[in-house]
Amino acid sequence: NAGVTQTPKFQVLKTGQSMTLQCAQDMNHEYMSWYRQDPGMGLRLIHYSVGAGITDQGEVPNGYNVSRSTTEDFPLRLLSAAPSQTSVYFCASSDRQVTGYEQYFGPGTRLTVT
Amino acid sequence: GENVEQHPSTLSVQEGDSAVIKCTYSDSASNYFPWYKQELGKGPQLIIDIRSNVGEKKDQRIAVTLNKTAKHFSLHITETQPEDSAVYFCAASIVGAQKLVFGQGTRLTINP
Repeated sequence: NAGVTQTPKFQVLKTGQSMTLQCAQDMNHEYMSWYRQDPGMGLRLIHYSVGAGITDQGEVPNGYNVSRSTTEDFPLRLLSAAPSQTSVYFCASSDRQVTGYEQYFGPGTRLTVT
Repeated sequence: GENVEQHPSTLSVQEGDSAVIKCTYSDSASNYFPWYKQELGKGPQLIIDIRSNVGEKKDQRIAVTLNKTAKHFSLHITETQPEDSAVYFCAASIVGAQKLVFGQGTRLTINP
C-alpha cells in the first residue's frame, strides 16, 4: 500500500491564480480530511469528508473548495490564491467515519503564494 | 468549540533525560486525546492515544497521563534518544464526532 499520497510536493502561485492539491489513499478509508500547518498554530482542519459525495467544513474553510467523487480521492481547490494561504497542507485519512481512531497523514504540499 | 493549548513551544533536553509536554483542553465533553509525532519533511504520525476512561497509558519509553478534572494531559518521554527529535502535537476530540482539534506543537530537540 502506498498509503496517503499528495501532489505536488511544492508549489508557487501568484495571487489570484487557482490550483488543485491532489490527495489519494489506497486503504479504502471512508474519512478523509485536509489540514493546514502554520508556525505556532498547529494543524487546523480545512474540510473533511465521511464518504463519497459527503463533505463538510472544518475550522478554516474560507477560500477552499473540496469534492469527493470517489472513496480514493479528495482534492482541495484554491479558486483565487491569496498570500494568507501560504502554508503546508496535509491530507489525512481514517478507516472510521468519526474521530477517536488513528488518522494517517500524507507527506504534505508546501504552497507559497506571492 | 474545543480549544487546545500546548506548552512549551520548544524543548531541548540532553540525551538520556526525560521530556514532558503538556496540553490543556477546554471542552469537558472531549474524551479522546492522541499524540502525533512529525519528523522533518514528513506528515504527522500517531504515537500514542488515550481515552478518558483511563488515567495513564504507556508504550515502552512514552506515556500519556490524563487529568479530566483539570482538563489537561501530558506526554512523557523517558531515556530520550536522538531519534526522538521532532515536532509533537497533542489533540482532543469527542469519540464519535468528526473533528479533531490540535495543539500548537512542540519542537523537541535531543542534544547528544
